[in-house]
Amino acid sequence: LAKTTQPISMDSYEGQEVNITCSHNNIATNDYITWYQQFPSQGPRFIIQGYKTKVTNEVASLFIPADRKSSTLSLPRVSLSDTAVYYCLVVEISGGYNKLIFGAGTRLAVHP
Amino acid sequence: KAGVTQTPRYLIKTRGQQVTLSCSPISGHRSVSWYQQTPGQGLQFLFEYFSETQRNKGNFPGRFSGRQFSNSRSEMNVSTLELGDSALYLCASSPYSTGTYEQYFGPGTRLTVT
Repeated sequence: LAKTTQPISMDSYEGQEVNITCSHNNIATNDYITWYQQFPSQGPRFIIQGYKTKVTNEVASLFIPADRKSSTLSLPRVSLSDTAVYYCLVVEISGGYNKLIFGAGTRLAVHP
Repeated sequence: KAGVTQTPRYLIKTRGQQVTLSCSPISGHRSVSWYQQTPGQGLQFLFEYFSETQRNKGNFPGRFSGRQFSNSRSEMNVSTLELGDSALYLCASSPYSTGTYEQYFGPGTRLTVT
């Protein structure tokens, strides 16, 4: 069975770079690893996804090693508005179905 | 474009009753997924529909069911409600058919079972 592990919480200060790592095993070999951000009272919001190596968009970078047993979300120069819960999402193939598995979430607090 | 909408936003039901939740995806999106979010279990995948067919599913009991209509709108039904079904139920839509899980979430329906 696929299992994901993320740190429960992290603290940072404005302007710093934040790296959040998700460990995951037994994930589907052909599916993306995806990260989401969630603010209170809102649904999760897509941040970034990747298959392997490094992906960068306007808000974050995602690093995935060759064995795909972990992924690291990198948020450059965080601001107070980045205070949120961050989830990794992986896929497990079980019984012929794709089962989407979210990590437990990392609560990031950005301080002034 | 309008975002994903879910109705109702809040719902209170009694144990043993059944409930139907509705989700309207973003226009043009054919994939709709449902999730349950609780403080204890986090975000858990219920099922995904694509072009009116259940394509993927999680590990929830048969009391949880869903369907998708030809206009991509989806409903989720929970029968014989239990106290543990109290949760935020999230719907997400995607324009992609395979391989990627870039999804757009609605605000959720908060279900309370008493």
